[in-house]
Amino acid sequence: EIQLQESGPGLVKPSQSLSLTCSVTGYTITSGYDWSWIRKFPGNKMEWMGYISYSGSTNYNPSLKSRISITRDTSKNQFFLQLNSVTTEDTATYYCARSGGAFAYWGQGTLVTVSS
Amino acid sequence: DIVMTQSPSSLAVSAGETVTINCKSSQSLFGSVRQKNYLAWYQQKPGQSPKLLIYLASTRESGVPDRFIGSGSGTDFTLTISSVQAEDLANYYCQQYYDTPYTFGAGTKLELK
Repeated sequence: EIQLQESGPGLVKPSQSLSLTCSVTGYTITSGYDWSWIRKFPGNKMEWMGYISYSGSTNYNPSLKSRISITRDTSKNQFFLQLNSVTTEDTATYYCARSGGAFAYWGQGTLVTVSS
Repeated sequence: DIVMTQSPSSLAVSAGETVTINCKSSQSLFGSVRQKNYLAWYQQKPGQSPKLLIYLASTRESGVPDRFIGSGSGTDFTLTISSVQAEDLANYYCQQYYDTPYTFGAGTKLELK
C-alpha cells in the first residue's frame, strides 16, 4: 500500500524558509510518476505548487517559481519542499501527493502557520 | 493558467436526493492524442486529505461507489451524486491536469438541509 507522510515545522517566521519532507512507503519514487506538493489555504482554495518527476526533473507553478525548490533523497525515498521568503499568505495546509496527472495518493497534510 | 470555475459554492441537500456540481474550464481539457478529457474530481471531508473520485472526466477510481458519476467534455463537466448519503457530506473539487500549472476549482460544500 502506497503511503505518503509530510513532516516539518508547524510554525515559520515571516521572511524565513519553509521546509517540509514527504516520506513515501510502498512505492519507489524513482520507479514512476510525478511527486507533487499541493497546499490548501484557509478558505479552501487549493494550489498545486510543483512536482519532481521520477527522473528528477522539476516543474513549478510560475506563481512560485522564484521561491520554490523541490528536491529528493532517493536513498531515503523522500522528497522535499523548500519555499523561501514566506509571508503570512503562505499559511496553509501542505500536502504531498503522487500524480500521473490526477492525484491518486495524498499525505494526511501538515498545517504550516507563518507568524512572528 | 487554466481557470476552473465551479458551481455552486455550497449545496444543501436531504438524504436520498440527487445533486449536480458543475465545473467549467477556461479552455478545452480534451487531449487529441488520447481522446480523453484531463479532469478529475475529489472529495474532502473535514480533517482528511482529498480523495480522488473520478479521473479522465468520467472514470471512477477503484472503490468509489457507482452513485458518483462524472460527465462532460471540452470545457463543461459535471459531478452527479445520486441518492446522496450522510457520508457524502464533504467538499468537492474539480481539477484540470491538461496542462501545468494544474489548477483546481474553488470547491463545493455539500451540506445537510
